[in-house]
Amino acid sequence: AQSVTQPDIHITVSEGASLELRCNYSYGATPYLFWYVQSPGQGLQLLLKYFSGDTLVQGIKGFEAEFKRSQSSFNLRKPSVHWSDAAEYFCAVGGTGSGNTGKLIFGQGTTLQVKP
Amino acid sequence: DVKVTQSSRYLVKRTGEKVFLECVQDMDHENMFWYRQDPGLGLRLIYFSYDVKMKEKGDIPEGYSVSREKKERFSLILESASTNQTSMYLCASSRTSSNTQYFGPGTRLTVL
Repeated sequence: AQSVTQPDIHITVSEGASLELRCNYSYGATPYLFWYVQSPGQGLQLLLKYFSGDTLVQGIKGFEAEFKRSQSSFNLRKPSVHWSDAAEYFCAVGGTGSGNTGKLIFGQGTTLQVKP
Repeated sequence: DVKVTQSSRYLVKRTGEKVFLECVQDMDHENMFWYRQDPGLGLRLIYFSYDVKMKEKGDIPEGYSVSREKKERFSLILESASTNQTSMYLCASSRTSSNTQYFGPGTRLTVL
């Protein structure tokens, strides 16, 4: 079955500390992978995406993510967290090739709290 | 710049009312989606459309219908609103070739 797991429901980090949000997926074919961020009361904003090529992808707001096929993971990282990064983060996986419906499968989300 | 707009940010309706949520995208995307988001349940797909007048059920279509008469507009309809449909509703669109979904700001619907 296709699925996305974000093991951490809630994470708290101090401002200036590094951050890693975990994402594991189960998908039968080569996946497209995404990270989105949602500020309270807002829609989802695309942070970054992986389609192919370099497995380390850079996104907006200083975020990066690394695709590890052997571990079926796509973890999101940031070297130094800012208070404005407090939000909910969603990992998502989509299909490639023929039969692709355009649907994404989303993880349950990780809420990031930033301590001053 | 990519833009997805939703007709209302906040909406309050009474039980039994017919409710229309409108979504418009200006990117000429083929695909459009309606999700609902509830605490602890993440995003759940209600319906999606991959072309004008085409639609497919998502994971939780019961109590909802959709309409896509024009490529840029995708409407979600609650035929008879119930209190358990109180939720945040998110619309998104994407191009089939990339799967990258772009989201609107959401509509927080309260059914009393």
